[in-house]
Amino acid sequence: DTGVSQDPRHKITKRGQNVTFRCDPISEHNRLYWYRQTLGQGPEFLTYFQNEAQLEKSRLLSDRFSAERPKGSFSTLEIQRTEQGDSAMYLCASSLVTGDQETQYFGPGTRLLVL
Amino acid sequence: GQNIDQPTEMTATEGAIVQINCTYQTSGFNGLFWYQQHAGEAPTFLSYNVLDGLEEKGRFSSFLSRSKGYSYLLLKELQMKDSASYLCAVRDSNYQLIWGAGTKLIIKP
Repeated sequence: DTGVSQDPRHKITKRGQNVTFRCDPISEHNRLYWYRQTLGQGPEFLTYFQNEAQLEKSRLLSDRFSAERPKGSFSTLEIQRTEQGDSAMYLCASSLVTGDQETQYFGPGTRLLVL
Repeated sequence: GQNIDQPTEMTATEGAIVQINCTYQTSGFNGLFWYQQHAGEAPTFLSYNVLDGLEEKGRFSSFLSRSKGYSYLLLKELQMKDSASYLCAVRDSNYQLIWGAGTKLIIKP
């Protein structure tokens, strides 16, 4: 397995457009996380899935953001009506939860620039 | 509220040793993680501590004191490729990761 992959790696869009990002987790991992990161900050939690169920969504997350993981494998994150403040690195991480043990492994990220 | 504190930036010399500190105040504790992040890249897992004491992995070691809400990452025999940000993250009582802002480590020859 080559690890977590994300597509695209870079996206430039105009304000008001919709964008969709894809994440393919490590194959046997049951949890998948989406984070947003801006320069000089740690990752900011957006949402996560246990298999296909979306278990938690950040209260800070605008209704313009939606995520799916339809078959419990890959996930998509869509941002509708993008704003300049959405410019950031969007990170996906996956993990295999066994008992209390869990380590998240990150993909390379999608860098979004909203003009 | 929940808080993770780390120094914003540190500078060290190639071949030397550096210690990056992390203090935390979280609702519950279920483990502490250190990640390395090179500029423009994703974080990569370095270490995990859930019990007090020192965990050693090659040139990197991580220490935890739960009673003090304190951890450090120790990097020995520094190499230029160690220039990166180092992120401390704590898993809280809800098993969610709370992230620090990261410490940017600059290595000088």
